[in-house]
Amino acid sequence: ETGVTQTPRHLVMGMTNKKSLKCEQHLGHNAMYWYKQSAKKPLELMFVYSLEERVENNSVPSRFSPECPNSSHLFLHLHTLQPEDSALYLCASSPGWGAQGNEKLFFGSGTQLSVL
Amino acid sequence: AQTVTQSQPEMSVQEAETVTLSCTYDTSENNYYLFWYKQPPSRQMILVIRQEAYKQQNATENRFSVNFQKAAKSFSLKISDSQLGDTAMYFCAFIKHYGQNFVFGPGTRLSVLP
Repeated sequence: ETGVTQTPRHLVMGMTNKKSLKCEQHLGHNAMYWYKQSAKKPLELMFVYSLEERVENNSVPSRFSPECPNSSHLFLHLHTLQPEDSALYLCASSPGWGAQGNEKLFFGSGTQLSVL
Repeated sequence: AQTVTQSQPEMSVQEAETVTLSCTYDTSENNYYLFWYKQPPSRQMILVIRQEAYKQQNATENRFSVNFQKAAKSFSLKISDSQLGDTAMYFCAFIKHYGQNFVFGPGTRLSVLP
């Protein structure tokens, strides 16, 4: 248990569905991240939030919509996805920039997403 | 932009033996941090070891140690006395000082054989 919880663990959805991925961290961290992990590709950063404010969006398509209502929770809202969006979506947190030891990520177990 | 390269897609090692995983990176930064993360079949990414670029001494964590060559931009991971539980994907990662983006390599799949 690393203190970062992701739900659901698996998700199958059609291209017209709307679903949300949830991430919760119990570590008191200030920064939260969404990463996409596809087969045979490096982890791709999607979004970064620091103190609930989005600080980076790596040119992610608008069919992915993040939400960070507070420093402990992060959501990824999905709508009209494509089959190529099928991947493992990993949430992570870190203490935040400027904090001692901030250069360290703590990951959840991920949501395995399949888009049919 | 920073890039991280892992040239060994797959490796295997006999139990109790030693194995070294390679990682090279490209950056113009002088202050940064390097990491090795492990991802077993459970999918949980776990931090194995962390190196601060301004420290010349190589980091060690029990059976895990690194060979950090800053001039060569090389950061290899040595696993001693390999155990079956070490079977996993291993990712090398980089972040610049006060950076926001952890950059990951493509990973090396390590199999420890009984």
